[in-house]
Amino acid sequence: AQSVTQLGSHVSVSEGALVLLRCNYSSSVPPYLFWYVQYPNQGLQLLLKYTTGATLVKGINGFEAEFKKSETSFHLTKPSAHMSDAAEYFCAVSDSGANNLFFGTGTRLTVIP
Amino acid sequence: EAQVTQNPRYLITVTGKKLTVTCSQNMNHEYMSWYRQDPGLGLRQIYYSMNVEVTDKGDVPEGYKVSRKEKRNFPLILESPSPNQTSLYFCASSTVLGPNQPQHFGDGTRLSIL
Repeated sequence: AQSVTQLGSHVSVSEGALVLLRCNYSSSVPPYLFWYVQYPNQGLQLLLKYTTGATLVKGINGFEAEFKKSETSFHLTKPSAHMSDAAEYFCAVSDSGANNLFFGTGTRLTVIP
Repeated sequence: EAQVTQNPRYLITVTGKKLTVTCSQNMNHEYMSWYRQDPGLGLRQIYYSMNVEVTDKGDVPEGYKVSRKEKRNFPLILESPSPNQTSLYFCASSTVLGPNQPQHFGDGTRLSIL
């Protein structure tokens, strides 16, 4: 069975500070991993994904994530937070044989001016 | 413009009154899915469809029905809504490779069942 754990339902950072959102997954087979962002009153948008190959994945808006198999993690980072990054972020896992995505419970990011 | 369109965006209704939330996509995607989003629980899949006339249960299918008669449409039906189905609902679609490809999400439907 697959599952995702996002540590911290709320994260606050100052504008310009490092953003680190944590995601750990559980999967019995090589996973496909995703980060989605949800802005207020909108649906989810894909930030980045890991399927195979390079373990450091770059996404939109300056975000990146690193797949660490030994730690079963896929943490999302951004070197310098911007006010427009305030949103809710979801980590999700799937695998090649699955027909659905399993989402984490989400992390709400607040950026303090 | 590629999009997934859900209607209505907001609905307040009463227990037991049948309702349908429509979902339509213009990207010729085979895979479509419904999720509900609840505070502290993230998104949970209700039903999904791999193609026309092919549907299957997700993690929380109880109390819901779906149909996929056309490729572009995937309506969610609540035959007898109950208050525990008050939630934010999202429809999503992706290519034939299914959820391993990025899903495109609608803007959501907020349902309140009184």
